[in-house]
Amino acid sequence: NAGVTQTPKFRILKIGQSMTLQCTQDMNHNYMYWYRQDPGMGLKLIYYSVGAGITDKGEVPNGYNVSRSTTEDFPLRLELAAPSQTSVYFCASSYSPTSGSYFGPGTRLLVL
Amino acid sequence: AQSVTQLGSHVSVSEGALVLLRCNYSSSVPPYLFWYVQYPNQGLQLLLKYTSAATLVKGINGFEAEFKKSETSFHLTKPSAHMSDAAEYFCAVSPNNNNDMRFGAGTRLTVKP
Repeated sequence: NAGVTQTPKFRILKIGQSMTLQCTQDMNHNYMYWYRQDPGMGLKLIYYSVGAGITDKGEVPNGYNVSRSTTEDFPLRLELAAPSQTSVYFCASSYSPTSGSYFGPGTRLLVL
Repeated sequence: AQSVTQLGSHVSVSEGALVLLRCNYSSSVPPYLFWYVQYPNQGLQLLLKYTSAATLVKGINGFEAEFKKSETSFHLTKPSAHMSDAAEYFCAVSPNNNNDMRFGAGTRLTVKP
């Protein structure tokens, strides 16, 4: 099992550009999550999904969108990138909300 | 809403010494509690979790944590630190069976030879 994979590993965006962060898991987990990690702030939940076709907002959803067309994939879309979106983004998946999550290696995003 | 406070953004111990990383939570309902470890340039890895079955929880790599309801704490301990334990540790809380998990700000553990 590859677990949770994320692409790209690193990206530089100009202000106003858009991009999609890819996330795939091969554990057949229904629950998937997107977090952002900023220094000294821990992780903040952006969006989550409880199954294909079902998504919901987390703590910091503004400026982001998600879709979940399959169990395996949970892409995160950034529209009109802003410097405040400079961060490290982690995708995670879990069997249930209380089972603990498996995290991907992260995508480091720099918006200039 | 629930929240997590990790006391001490940096903790330094000598190799072989006791590791104690502090976590206090607030939650209006009995929570689920987690400790994760993050090594440099990697994602988070689950160390252990509390789900009300037992107050003392044993995890991987020799770590354990004790849930104390009266103190609203879930501190992480390891009797003897190893150089490979150097990493950042995150405490997280989730109310009973929903997706609103909240993470603490993290504690960076340094292990001195």
